[in-house]
Amino acid sequence: EAGVTQFPSHSVIEKGQTVTLRCDPISGHDNLYWYRRVMGKEIKFLLHFVKESKQDESGMPNNRFLAERTGGTYSTLKVQPAELEDSGVYFCASSHSAGSYEQYFGPGTRLTVT
Amino acid sequence: GQNIDQPTEMTATEGAIVQINCTYQTSGFNGLFWYQQHAGEAPTFLSYNVLDGLEEKGRFSSFLSRSKGYSYLLLKELQMKDSASYLCGVSGGSYIPTFGRGTSLIVHP
Repeated sequence: EAGVTQFPSHSVIEKGQTVTLRCDPISGHDNLYWYRRVMGKEIKFLLHFVKESKQDESGMPNNRFLAERTGGTYSTLKVQPAELEDSGVYFCASSHSAGSYEQYFGPGTRLTVT
Repeated sequence: GQNIDQPTEMTATEGAIVQINCTYQTSGFNGLFWYQQHAGEAPTFLSYNVLDGLEEKGRFSSFLSRSKGYSYLLLKELQMKDSASYLCGVSGGSYIPTFGRGTSLIVHP
């Protein structure tokens, strides 16, 4: 069984540019989560999809961040326009169903905004 | 809100036992997670404790005391590959963990 994959693994962009991160969850997993780790700090929750619906987006920092999960499969997280403080590692995780507490994380996308 | 505290770094010797503590203060509590993360890799699930007591899983055990807001992860027969960051996380509702900053464990020969 393939794990959670994320693309790209690294991205370096300039302030003001747009970046789109992609996450492919484990096949058949209804739940998809986005997290972010800013350097030196803890991994923080951003949002949670159940299939294609946003279940909880309380962790999204502001309206420069837009997440989608069309068709309930892969998800994208777009940052537009990027700011310096958006730099960090963005993790995606998935879990099978509503009662599943074990989340499977992807390797993360390291975003650097210069 | 939730506040989670764990040591920043610990060192231990191969073959030894190490205990990584985690204390938390939370407005709501469902359960407590432990994840392992090797440098540059994805966090991987170790345990999820809902009830008080010790749960053993091979060389790793996790303990929870809800009344004290306290947990620990116990690693026995340490191996070099156990060098990693160990993340304590608390969920207050829908199995979404709020993580601490992690404990970096260095195992030396």
